[in-house]
Amino acid sequence: QQQVKQSPQSLIVQKGGISIINCAYENTAFDYFPWYQQFPGKGPALLIAIRPDVSEKKEGRFTISFNKSAKQFSLHIMDSQPGDSATYFCAASIRGYQKVTFGTGTKLQVIP
Amino acid sequence: DAGITQSPRHKVTETGTPVTLRCHQTENHRYMYWYRQDPGHGLRLIHYSYGVKDTDKGEVSDGYSVSRSKTEDFLLTLESATSSQTSVYFCAISEGTGNTEAFFGQGTRLTVV
Repeated sequence: QQQVKQSPQSLIVQKGGISIINCAYENTAFDYFPWYQQFPGKGPALLIAIRPDVSEKKEGRFTISFNKSAKQFSLHIMDSQPGDSATYFCAASIRGYQKVTFGTGTKLQVIP
Repeated sequence: DAGITQSPRHKVTETGTPVTLRCHQTENHRYMYWYRQDPGHGLRLIHYSYGVKDTDKGEVSDGYSVSRSKTEDFLLTLESATSSQTSVYFCAISEGTGNTEAFFGQGTRLTVV
């Protein structure tokens, strides 16, 4: 199965709060899990990515948590800001293969 | 932004007409992709290319064809446009295979009436 399931579809968070987006996959061959951020009218851009040999990766206010046994990974945005309002896509891929499987996206709105 | 240009940025066309979307890159990346983005479906791969004249199908390739005659150009053709092909189309490029960063263009909004 190549599917990646993402939730929630939309999310509203107060400024300063924590935004959490979850993804689950079935194919245990996936070995690269990126998150992409997309602002209105723009193409997606890589935000942060993780490989399954680590359980967590942090870059500034953005953290990926990875649970290999549960086949789940999540994006945490700490101290969420209005400028973080965007659509976020999780994805998964396999080394050596061209195809990347994307989740269905989460539209995040951070309100002041 | 990575050197990716999609053209046109917006297009309205009639059902049954052929449409060609162009993706041009200046990064000399080997891999190029066409995705469509629809609400509730995220990004779905239409076709991809792993070199000049080397292309393969993605998950939603029916009704679409592609060509890559030069490293820098990847064309997506809707052979006979249908209303179900109304979407936002994104071109992406990457230097390596799926586990490397993909760089996306600005998108083409296509409306089929």
